[in-house]
Amino acid sequence: AQSVTQLDSHVSVSEGTPVLLRCNYSSSYSPSLFWYVQHPNKGLQLLLKYTSAATLVKGINGFEAEFKKSETSFHLTKPSAHMSDAAEYFCVVSGWGGKIIFGKGTRLHILP
Amino acid sequence: EAGVAQSPRYKIIEKRQSVAFWCNPISGHATLYWYQQILGQGPKLLIQFQNNGVVDDSQLPKDRFSAERLKGVDSTLKIQPAKLEDSAVYLCASSLAGLAGGPKTQYFGPGTRLLVL
Repeated sequence: AQSVTQLDSHVSVSEGTPVLLRCNYSSSYSPSLFWYVQHPNKGLQLLLKYTSAATLVKGINGFEAEFKKSETSFHLTKPSAHMSDAAEYFCVVSGWGGKIIFGKGTRLHILP
Repeated sequence: EAGVAQSPRYKIIEKRQSVAFWCNPISGHATLYWYQQILGQGPKLLIQFQNNGVVDDSQLPKDRFSAERLKGVDSTLKIQPAKLEDSAVYLCASSLAGLAGGPKTQYFGPGTRLLVL
């Protein structure tokens, strides 16, 4: 069985400060994990993915995520937020041949 | 490279009517997905095709929803009859073959926003 939990439905940070979006997962198999971003009225775009290679994954636009098996977490971070980062972020888990499950999403607000 | 195409972009219908959505995936992508995204929620996978075969349709409400991908390329998703709770954005995505070697990156279309009155 697989599941994914995004721990915060909304996160607000000031521009220029670090971003942390939290994601915990559950999977019977070694999972593949993804972060997608959805800007208003735009399609979903892949930020980064983990597929059992390096545990620290670098993505687009300065985002990165670290796979921690012991904590079953895959948190998304960025050192310095930009106004253009305001969007909805989805954590996704998928096991080998298993279901693809999206989290409920975290809306990131950037304060000027 | 052209992205995933979907049409229409918006649709308004009354309950009990039928509606169909169309998706054309990225050329060469064997796997095609249909998702339902209700406002304020994450996308929910409705059906996954590998070429023209169904891989997973466990969350498809088969009493009213149907989907086909007859030639292994474009796909249609139909709702008949529609209910108020079907109001959502319907997303189509495609990827390279996603079974052997584990899940591949999905590329999403812009979605079709459905409002059922």
